[in-house]
Amino acid sequence: NAGVTQTPKFQVLKTGQSMTLQCAQDMNHNSMYWYRQDPGMGLRLIYYSASEGTTDKGEVPNGYNVSRLNKREFSLRLESAAPSQTSVYFCASSADYRGGQPQHFGDGTRLSIL
Amino acid sequence: KQEVTQIPAALSVPEGENLVLNCSFTDSAIYNLQWFRQDPGKGLTSLLLIQSSQREQTSGRLNASLDKSSGRSTLYIAASQPGDSATYLCAVVSGNTPLVFGKGTRLSVIA
Repeated sequence: NAGVTQTPKFQVLKTGQSMTLQCAQDMNHNSMYWYRQDPGMGLRLIYYSASEGTTDKGEVPNGYNVSRLNKREFSLRLESAAPSQTSVYFCASSADYRGGQPQHFGDGTRLSIL
Repeated sequence: KQEVTQIPAALSVPEGENLVLNCSFTDSAIYNLQWFRQDPGKGLTSLLLIQSSQREQTSGRLNASLDKSSGRSTLYIAASQPGDSATYLCAVVSGNTPLVFGKGTRLSVIA
């Protein structure tokens, strides 16, 4: 019973490098989300996809891009990593984005940018 | 803009005590409110979801209440155990915005 799977679990990048964080869910959920969690700031929404084929900006979208590849997969790309993007990134999914059903979270990707 | 506040930021209690965690939100026009648990180094686990039309939800030793008009929710934990030690987060859905989270309450239950 995998739920939401994120890869990689840990990553260290140099400033200016690019990378893609992968997320896949096996619950047939329509909606998927990317958050970042920083000490003292709580969880903040980066981007979300209410349904396959749509994506929308959240609270902190600058420096990121997303792709809803299919119903199962939602990736987050950092085109030119900056130290301010050092954070723990969480992917989540839910049956619908209005929150009628709970969101399910992955275990996170811990990203350090030097 | 919806803002969610959780008080206290940290709480330490002896095992067996009943406790209450508080959550407040600024925009009362919510669709629902969720309580999550986060263990160190882990993702979030959904504990309880209260729809805007509901007043409370219960799961085992947990009871969450919602007073939409006053913008408040409480999470009641009965007979606390060391295994309850974690960070508890409150989040709301309102307008066109998916979950907006509070910063959490870090709970330590001392054996």
